[in-house]
Amino acid sequence: EDQVTQSPEALRLQEGESSSLNCSYTVSGLRGLFWYRQDPGKGPEFLFTLYSAGEEKEKERLKATLTKKESFLHITAPKPEDSATYLCAVQAMEGGSEKLVFGKGTKLTVNP
Amino acid sequence: EPEVTQTPSHQVTQMGQEVILRCVPISNHLYFYWYRQILGQKVEFLVSFYNNEISEKSEIFDDQFSVERPDGSNFTLKIRSTKLEDSAMYFCASAHRYINSNQPQHFGDGTRLSIL
Repeated sequence: EDQVTQSPEALRLQEGESSSLNCSYTVSGLRGLFWYRQDPGKGPEFLFTLYSAGEEKEKERLKATLTKKESFLHITAPKPEDSATYLCAVQAMEGGSEKLVFGKGTKLTVNP
Repeated sequence: EPEVTQTPSHQVTQMGQEVILRCVPISNHLYFYWYRQILGQKVEFLVSFYNNEISEKSEIFDDQFSVERPDGSNFTLKIRSTKLEDSAMYFCASAHRYINSNQPQHFGDGTRLSIL
């Protein structure tokens, strides 16, 4: 069974304090790993797709990396507006499945 | 930027009643999905829909659930006889597929379904 585990569950940072969020996954052949941002009362907002180990993607203060077992979302010099829950999801190669399997997310709070 | 829209934002229904949740996917997208998120839990896949038929469904998506694309723009989820445990946030998502490309799923802001 495909599984995604995110850590930590919650993270508090001071503005400008860089850190990383972890996503460990078990999947029967990775088709893609996705990072989403979710604000309270909103739907997941797409950030990145990673396909193969060694791949990296960047967007503003965020950088996502991928290995064969985990992905990291690095946040450099965060601002209060980066506060949100960050979700990781995987899509398996097997059977051409379309479904995303999500982790529980990491709730990030950035204090000014 | 095009977005997925869902209505209503909040639906309150008596247990045993039928409910229909509505979604307008992004206009040039071909793949449609429903997910749900029970409070404090993971986002869970319910069903995917392509070319006017269900392409995949989860164990959650039992005979009480159905999906339909009644016209060229709407995509609906119907729960025939609601139970207390159906209370959750329901998200619609859509994706565009190019040949040999894996496009991300884009989500709406959800419908909060409360069963009394």
